[in-house]
Amino acid sequence: EAQVTQNPRYLITVTGKKLTVTCSQNMNHEYMSWYRQDPGLGLRQIYYSMNVEVTDKGDVPEGYKVSRKEKRNFPLILESPSPNQTSLYFCASSLRREGGEQFFGPGTRLTVL
Amino acid sequence: GQQVMQIPQYQHVQEGEDFTTYCNSSTTLSNIQWYKQRPGGHPVFLIQLVKSGEVKKQKRLTFQFGEAKKNSSLHITATQTTDVGTYFCAGKSRSGWGSNYQLIWGAGTKLIIKP
Repeated sequence: EAQVTQNPRYLITVTGKKLTVTCSQNMNHEYMSWYRQDPGLGLRQIYYSMNVEVTDKGDVPEGYKVSRKEKRNFPLILESPSPNQTSLYFCASSLRREGGEQFFGPGTRLTVL
Repeated sequence: GQQVMQIPQYQHVQEGEDFTTYCNSSTTLSNIQWYKQRPGGHPVFLIQLVKSGEVKKQKRLTFQFGEAKKNSSLHITATQTTDVGTYFCAGKSRSGWGSNYQLIWGAGTKLIIKP
């Protein structure tokens, strides 16, 4: 089944404890992206990747890191989480970097205490 | 930064009434996408509009892209309980906004069916 998977789905952590949210897609998509969703603000892009080893900042990259060592995986790293990073996170992928339908993962709800 | 404004934020309707959400950009878009997010779910792609003045229909849903490619709308005729959720537009700028590969998202319109 074609899908985007994220892990974990839920995470409660404490300020400053490094964490990684994994994202994987099995559709051989070029383009992958991370978003955070907060009430009233819609979806805001954190980072995106146009292909392996090619990443770029989105609208709200501060406090986050990403890597794209393999085409299928695009992990999101929070080196030192803070409470303002409490949010719902979505990974998405699309076939081409130029656009087209984005497929979203199920989401990761992160709480930073 | 540049934004796509989406209104209204919420719309309460009786089942069977129509629903419309609007997106407006201050700059010309190369295309616009629409997504639906059910409560507790993730955004799901509905459609992409590319051409000036384009109108596309999916059963009870009608999508329009303005002549100037700066605005778009989604209209649902005779809403049903299965339509409940938040509808997002996402615009891709023709030029100027950061990278050419970014989508700029509207804040969404939440469709609520009154009991």
